[in-house]
Amino acid sequence: EDKVVQSPLSLVVHEGDTVTLNCSYEVTNFRSLLWYKQEKKAPTFLFMLTSSGIEKKSGRLSSILDKKELFSILNITATQTGDSAIYLCAVAKTSYDKVIFGPGTSLSVIP
Amino acid sequence: SQTIHQWPATLVQPVGSPLSLECTVEGTSNPNLYWYRQAAGRGLQLLFYSVGIGQISSEVPQNLSASRPQDRQFILSSKKLLLSDSGFYLCAWSPRGNTIYFGEGSWLTVV
Repeated sequence: EDKVVQSPLSLVVHEGDTVTLNCSYEVTNFRSLLWYKQEKKAPTFLFMLTSSGIEKKSGRLSSILDKKELFSILNITATQTGDSAIYLCAVAKTSYDKVIFGPGTSLSVIP
Repeated sequence: SQTIHQWPATLVQPVGSPLSLECTVEGTSNPNLYWYRQAAGRGLQLLFYSVGIGQISSEVPQNLSASRPQDRQFILSSKKLLLSDSGFYLCAWSPRGNTIYFGEGSWLTVV
């Protein structure tokens, strides 16, 4: 059965800290790995990763994929209170374009 | 540009009543369409996905159903709601083999 696992499930850090969020997967017919940020409503897209070892970067956020070990990490440097959110990892499959989400990591950044 | 609309945004329904949530996508054709549910503080559970008109795949047995009467319209229905159907429902769309994009979401409370 397809599975996407995230850790930790929740995390509290102080402003300025660096955090690493983990996502591992066991999925047949892997196409890509997706990261989303969810605040109060719908998730917003952060990154799509398809190739191993290539870092995607956007401001203080970066992510990388390891297709051999079947995991990805999302790094946030110099965290701010506005980074407080649930971070969702998802895997898109080639078969029927199905997209499966992990449980999410709830990040709280305190001043 | 492509947009996705989902309604109603919130609803409170009694147990045993019917449900209809509607989602439409504009600015694209032949998208993949998805319905997800998110219980409080948890990840996204894939309920249904569709790769074309009249083609619906169900991921979890439940008292919900989905229909795709037109290319860019996706409807989530129930004949009789249960308390356990409460949650945040998200419609999403995807161009073939690419990132998925979410609607605004619908908060359903079954009382």
